[in-house]
Amino acid sequence: AQKITQTQPGMFVQEKEAVTLDCTYDTSDQSYGLFWYKQPSSGEMIFLIYQGSYDEQNATEGRYSLNFQKARKSANLVISASQLGDSAMYFCAMREVYNQGGKLIFGQGTELSVKP
Amino acid sequence: EPEVTQTPSHQVTQMGQEVILRCVPISNHLYFYWYRQILGQKVEFLVSFYNNEISEKSEIFDDQFSVERPDGSNFTLKIRSTKLEDSAMYFCASSLRTGGDSPLHFGNGTRLTVT
Repeated sequence: AQKITQTQPGMFVQEKEAVTLDCTYDTSDQSYGLFWYKQPSSGEMIFLIYQGSYDEQNATEGRYSLNFQKARKSANLVISASQLGDSAMYFCAMREVYNQGGKLIFGQGTELSVKP
Repeated sequence: EPEVTQTPSHQVTQMGQEVILRCVPISNHLYFYWYRQILGQKVEFLVSFYNNEISEKSEIFDDQFSVERPDGSNFTLKIRSTKLEDSAMYFCASSLRTGGDSPLHFGNGTRLTVT
């Protein structure tokens, strides 16, 4: 069964510094996608970045990059030049390509606090 | 940019009452989902829906829950007889494909409070 693990319940980072949020996953499928979502205190779920299991290059979206290490089954999110508005809960999620319903499975989340 | 809309944003109901949570997915999306998030906890899958039928449901999605797409735009979650433990944020999501490269787009959620 697929599983996502985020081992950091909370993280602090100084404004303008980079931070890495950890995510490991487990799946028996060869084809899957990995996603990161941001949930601010207002509650909405915002899609940030995606990495496919067959992608050889790490995904990047602006200040977000995904450090994908397939052999280690890890998909860490790196946020560069942190801003106060980055303070939020961050969820790692996985979607198996051949799952019948295409559901996303989420990790427990990491709460990031950016200090001025 | 198209978005998933959910109404109401907050619903308070008494234990034992029926509630219907409403969602309008992104118009060209074909796959629809409900998730819930109990305060401070992880986001849990409830049900996926495609082609007017349930594709998959979790153990949480028991006989008290049902989903419906009554017309071409709305997607609803009904809880027949609410319990205190149903208090949570409920998210609707939609996706263009089920492929691993297609993200789910979430609505802003409905916060359900059962008293």
